[in-house]
Amino acid sequence: AQSVTQLDSHVSVSEGTPVLLRCNYSSSYSPSLFWYVQHPNKGLQLLLKYTSAATLVKGINGFEAEFKKSETSFHLTKPSAHMSDAAEYFCVVSRSYNTDKLIFGTGTRLQVFP
Amino acid sequence: EPEVTQTPSHQVTQMGQEVILRCVPISNHLYFYWYRQILGQKVEFLVSFYNNEISEKSEIFDDQFSVERPDGSNFTLKIRSTKLEDSAMYFCASLTGTSSEAFFGQGTRLTVV
Repeated sequence: AQSVTQLDSHVSVSEGTPVLLRCNYSSSYSPSLFWYVQHPNKGLQLLLKYTSAATLVKGINGFEAEFKKSETSFHLTKPSAHMSDAAEYFCVVSRSYNTDKLIFGTGTRLQVFP
Repeated sequence: EPEVTQTPSHQVTQMGQEVILRCVPISNHLYFYWYRQILGQKVEFLVSFYNNEISEKSEIFDDQFSVERPDGSNFTLKIRSTKLEDSAMYFCASLTGTSSEAFFGQGTRLTVV
């Protein structure tokens, strides 16, 4: 069975400060891991994905995540938050083949203050 | 940029009525999915569809639910007799199969009253 736990339901940062959104996963298989973002009234957009290649994954809009097998973590980071980063972020796991269903975490709402 | 489109964006229906949620996946995609998110809860997998048949379904996807790809472009989710607990945001997704990137629509908010 697979699952993800997002450790924070809300994160607030000031513009220009670092962002850290935490995610731990559990998987019986070698997992694929993703971060999706949802802006208000928009669909879910893929930020980045890990599929057993490099453990440090770079995504869009300056986000990156590091796969740490020993800690079963896949935390999302960004060096400097922008107002446009305010959104809901979902950590997602699936089995390692491309077409498997996605298992979502509960989401972290990121607020960015000026 | 190609995108997945869903209609309607919001639907209100009376309990017991049938609803059909529509999705137009990206044209060269082969795998199709429905997910739902009840307010305040996590996004949950409902069903996956490939080669004109269901490839996997969750426990949520009972006999009240069905999916169809009637004309090679649309992908629909039908709920035969809606219940209050079916109120949720429903997301359609598609992917090529050669990439693991699933593209999601904006969702349909279904409200059952």
